[in-house]
Amino acid sequence: QVQLVQSGAEVKKPGASVRVSCRASGYTFTNYYMHCVRQAPGRGLEWMGVIDPSGNKTNYAQKFQGRVTMTRDTSTSTVYMDLSSLRSDDTAVYYCARLPGLWGQGTLVTVSS
Amino acid sequence: SYELTQPPSVSVSPGQTARISCSGDALSKQYAYWYQQKPGQAPVMVIFKDRERPSEVPERFSGSNSGTTVTLTISGVQPEDEADYYCQSADSSGASVVFGGGTKLTVL
Repeated sequence: QVQLVQSGAEVKKPGASVRVSCRASGYTFTNYYMHCVRQAPGRGLEWMGVIDPSGNKTNYAQKFQGRVTMTRDTSTSTVYMDLSSLRSDDTAVYYCARLPGLWGQGTLVTVSS
Repeated sequence: SYELTQPPSVSVSPGQTARISCSGDALSKQYAYWYQQKPGQAPVMVIFKDRERPSEVPERFSGSNSGTTVTLTISGVQPEDEADYYCQSADSSGASVVFGGGTKLTVL
C-alpha cells in the first residue's frame, strides 16, 4: 500500500547532527515532492523544507537555511533529512509528508546533554 | 515571513456547528488545506483545495474561501471531532509551505 515509513527515535547531544530517513512505497517515488515538517512538544506544525526527488532540487524554510539538508536515493525510494548544530529547542517529532494527503509516522528527535 | 493566522481555541457543544478561520494575504492566490490531529498521531487531511473533501472524511466537514480567509466548518460536531486543526497553504510564489498556528477544538 501507499505509505511512508520513517526511521526510529534518536537522542542527540547539543551541537550534534541527526539524520532522519523516510522510505516511500506503493507509488512512483519521483512523481511527488517530499516535505519535512516538525512539531515540538505541545507546539504546532512547522514546515522545514521540500525536495523534488526527480531532480534533487530543494527549497528550505528561511529559519533552517544552513542547518538542514534534504537528499534522496531513488534506488531505494528514500528521502533523508539531515539537521546539524542541534539545540535543545530542536527536540520535536519530525515528519516526512507527501503533502497534503500522505504522512509518515513521525520520528522523535530528543536533544539533551 | 508569510503567516497564516488561526484562533487558538474554539469550543462547541455536541451537535452544534464549529467554525475555524484561517487568514493570510496569499489565500486568494493559493489553495488551502485543513488537517485534523489527535494526540500522539500524525495529521490527517480533512479538506483539500479550499473546499474538497476526501471520500473517507465525514460529510459534516466542509471548507470555504472568502478571499484572504478560509474557514473549516464542522456541522453537527461529534465528541470524536475534538482535536487540533491546522490550515496549510503556500506563500504567493508557491515555493514555500506554511502552516497556521493551529486551533484546539473542544467539544463541551
